[in-house]
Amino acid sequence: DVKVTQSSRYLVKRTGEKVFLECVQDMDHENMFWYRQDPGLGLRLIYFSYDVKMKEKGDIPEGYSVSREKKERFSLILESASTNQTSMYLCASSSMDNREKLFFGSGTQLSVL
Amino acid sequence: ILNVEQSPQSLHVQEGDSTNFTCSFPSSNFYALHWYRWETAKSPEALFVMTLNGDEKKKGRISATLNTKEGYSYLYIKGSQPEDSATYLCAFNSGTYKYIFGTGTRLKVLA
Repeated sequence: DVKVTQSSRYLVKRTGEKVFLECVQDMDHENMFWYRQDPGLGLRLIYFSYDVKMKEKGDIPEGYSVSREKKERFSLILESASTNQTSMYLCASSSMDNREKLFFGSGTQLSVL
Repeated sequence: ILNVEQSPQSLHVQEGDSTNFTCSFPSSNFYALHWYRWETAKSPEALFVMTLNGDEKKKGRISATLNTKEGYSYLYIKGSQPEDSATYLCAFNSGTYKYIFGTGTRLKVLA
């Protein structure tokens, strides 16, 4: 069964902490994505990666960075967590063709206090 | 600014009822339209990827149609069951890595 695995389901952090959200996929996909989901809004793209060490900013990259050192792993980093980064974070992966479906992880609900 | 709208935002139906909801998207630069089902505490799961105007796809009791010229897609559920309760998301793609997601339709099927 194909999988996208996110390291934590729930996470509570303090303002100013550095936060790492990890995502691993086992489908040898080139594309990996980080989205956030907030009430009343559609999924918003934070960052995208199409290959190892390659990344593109999404619609809301401010306050975030990413790392893709290996093809299967895509990490989202909150350099200094703030309360407005409290959200549900979803990782996804897909093959190169944008007509192929996205495979999602089950999400990390991050609370920044 | 590209915008994808879904309606209704939420609905409750009785078990056995059929229902449908709408996804509206830009009618220019169309490449693909995705439908996902997102059950609580689970991963969003792809239902359909639609690419051709007039496309109709079916998976069990769920089907979808696509009109790229006027910029809409319908998702139909026939004979709704409690296990259909979920948020249904559509996502528009214009050929880049950016998928524009709607806010979803939250369906609750009452037994």
